[in-house]
Amino acid sequence: QQQVKQSPQSLIVQKGGISIINCAYENTAFDYFPWYQQFPGKGPALLIAIRPDVSEKKEGRFTISFNKSAKQFSLHIMDSQPGDSATYFCAASTHGGATNKLIFGTGTLLAVQP
Amino acid sequence: EPEVTQTPSHQVTQMGQEVILRCVPISNHLYFYWYRQILGQKVEFLVSFYNNEISEKSEIFDDQFSVERPDGSNFTLKIRSTKLEDSAMYFCASSNQAGTEAFFGQGTRLTVV
Repeated sequence: QQQVKQSPQSLIVQKGGISIINCAYENTAFDYFPWYQQFPGKGPALLIAIRPDVSEKKEGRFTISFNKSAKQFSLHIMDSQPGDSATYFCAASTHGGATNKLIFGTGTLLAVQP
Repeated sequence: EPEVTQTPSHQVTQMGQEVILRCVPISNHLYFYWYRQILGQKVEFLVSFYNNEISEKSEIFDDQFSVERPDGSNFTLKIRSTKLEDSAMYFCASSNQAGTEAFFGQGTRLTVV
């Protein structure tokens, strides 16, 4: 129940295209859903995050869509650029309490071709 | 911009040796974490630390692991007797509230030979 399932494992998109990465969770106690971007040899960097009281959040070219009833959320990267080529991880956690450990998805390796 | 810093960036150690990985979290943050990432795999939670004590730990975090906040700025992860399977990237993270943005350091690549 603590798992976050992520798909696809890898994704190739042409420059200017839309990249879509999907995640699903089981634990209804999760109430914070961030996406992290990781370049090789670097730490995960927070990209964008959403809470379940909204169905969509947009920051620049990055949009999270959230479907609470389906327990799914997705990352959309509009106008994908070669510089977006990285591994993307979805994650989930619960707000409050003494800990808010992140449960990560398995990652999606995105390659944007010029 | 404040950031989480980790040292060393790469540590090679003999099996059975003790290692200490060091982290300086963002200064006003209250929650501290260690995660690890085996090459090519997902990031896994190890331990969280709040109010000078461990608040949660995973099954990976066995008796060989310990954490400490020896002063007001450093946060360390000690592995007492390293095993080959401890080889991974270890990330320190911090946040200022539970359930909010966690910021990660650049990681320490630990190689056990």
